[in-house]
Amino acid sequence: AQSVTQPDIHITVSEGASLELRCNYSYGATPYLFWYVQSPGQGLQLLLKYFSGDTLVQGIKGFEAEFKRSQSSFNLRKPSVHWSDAAEYFCAVLSGSARQLTFGSGTQLTVLP
Amino acid sequence: KAGVTQTPRYLIKTRGQQVTLSCSPISGHRSVSWYQQTPGQGLQFLFEYFSETQRNKGNFPGRFSGRQFSNSRSEMNVSTLELGDSALYLCASSPSGDYNEQFFGPGTRLTVL
Repeated sequence: AQSVTQPDIHITVSEGASLELRCNYSYGATPYLFWYVQSPGQGLQLLLKYFSGDTLVQGIKGFEAEFKRSQSSFNLRKPSVHWSDAAEYFCAVLSGSARQLTFGSGTQLTVLP
Repeated sequence: KAGVTQTPRYLIKTRGQQVTLSCSPISGHRSVSWYQQTPGQGLQFLFEYFSETQRNKGNFPGRFSGRQFSNSRSEMNVSTLELGDSALYLCASSPSGDYNEQFFGPGTRLTVL
């Protein structure tokens, strides 16, 4: 069965510092991977996606992610974090005949001034 | 284009009651999925509808049901509410459901007393 692991429950960084959020997946076929962000009381906003092709994908708000098949990873990065990036981040894989998302448990990001 | 809309945004019910939540997808999207988000279980897939047919179903009891109308709007119903049904219910739409990214609404916060 497919699964997604986000090993870091909570990460704290200073504003302006770089960020990397980890995501590992388990999926038998070619994975279709996503990162979503959720602000308190809100729905999920799509940051970026990987379907195929270039393993480094660019997203909105200055985020990027790198797909590494050998490591079954899809880590999210941002070179300089802004206070407005404080939120919860979810990694997900498209599964179930490619019609449903399986999510990781999320990483809560705190940004210090 | 307008995003995914969900109504109501907040609901308070008591145990044993039933509830109906509504979701209007992005115009032109024919697939609607529902997810439950709780602090303990995280984001879990409930079901997916396409052209008024349920194609995928998650591991939830039969008290959880849904339907989709010809205009792609969807409703989900929870009967005989339990305290554990308190959650944020998220609706997502995609063009066809297969190998597409899903766009989420703001969610309906259900509290069961």
